[in-house]
Amino acid sequence: AQSVAQPEDQVNVAEGNPLTVKCTYSVSGNPYLFWYVQYPNRGLQFLLKYITGDNLVKGSYGFEAEFNKSQTSFHLKKPSALVSDSALYFCAVRPGGGSYIPTFGRGTSLIVHP
Amino acid sequence: GAGVSQSPSNKVTEKGKDVELRCDPISGHTALYWYRQRLGQGLEFLIYFQGNSAPDKSGLPSDRFSAERTGESVSTLTIQRTQQEDSAVYLCASSLALDRGPEAFFGQGTRLTVV
Repeated sequence: AQSVAQPEDQVNVAEGNPLTVKCTYSVSGNPYLFWYVQYPNRGLQFLLKYITGDNLVKGSYGFEAEFNKSQTSFHLKKPSALVSDSALYFCAVRPGGGSYIPTFGRGTSLIVHP
Repeated sequence: GAGVSQSPSNKVTEKGKDVELRCDPISGHTALYWYRQRLGQGLEFLIYFQGNSAPDKSGLPSDRFSAERTGESVSTLTIQRTQQEDSAVYLCASSLALDRGPEAFFGQGTRLTVV
């Protein structure tokens, strides 16, 4: 069975500092990995995905994520955090072939302090 | 409309009543997903539709839950004899195709409260 772990319920970072939101996964075969953001009172928005190719994936709003196969991780990063980045972030995985059903992590609340 | 629309945005119902939740996907999107999001939890897959193919219902938690979709248009999620544990936000998402499912556009959800 596939699973996703987001070990931190909350991440606090000062504006202008780099941020990392952690995600590890378990899935059979090659993983398809995704990050979403949920701003208050708004629907989920797709940020970025890893399917194949370069391990460093760039997405919306200056976010990027690094796929690490040996550590089964897909951490979300941004070089310089903005207060407006404060939101709930979800990592998701699905197997590369066959199933179209993604599994989501529980979410990490990112709080960027001015 | 420009995005995925869900109605109602909020629903309070008494235990034992039936509820129907509606999702209007983006026009032209053949794939449609329903998820449940309990407080403090990630999204839980319920069901997906792809065009005229049989839906994948493997995530529905009990036979009290059912969903329909007419062609590539509106979908309804029905919960019969609601229980308090059904309280959650129900999210709908649509995408151009199943293999692009996780890149889907999400609605704002229906917050269901069973009292």
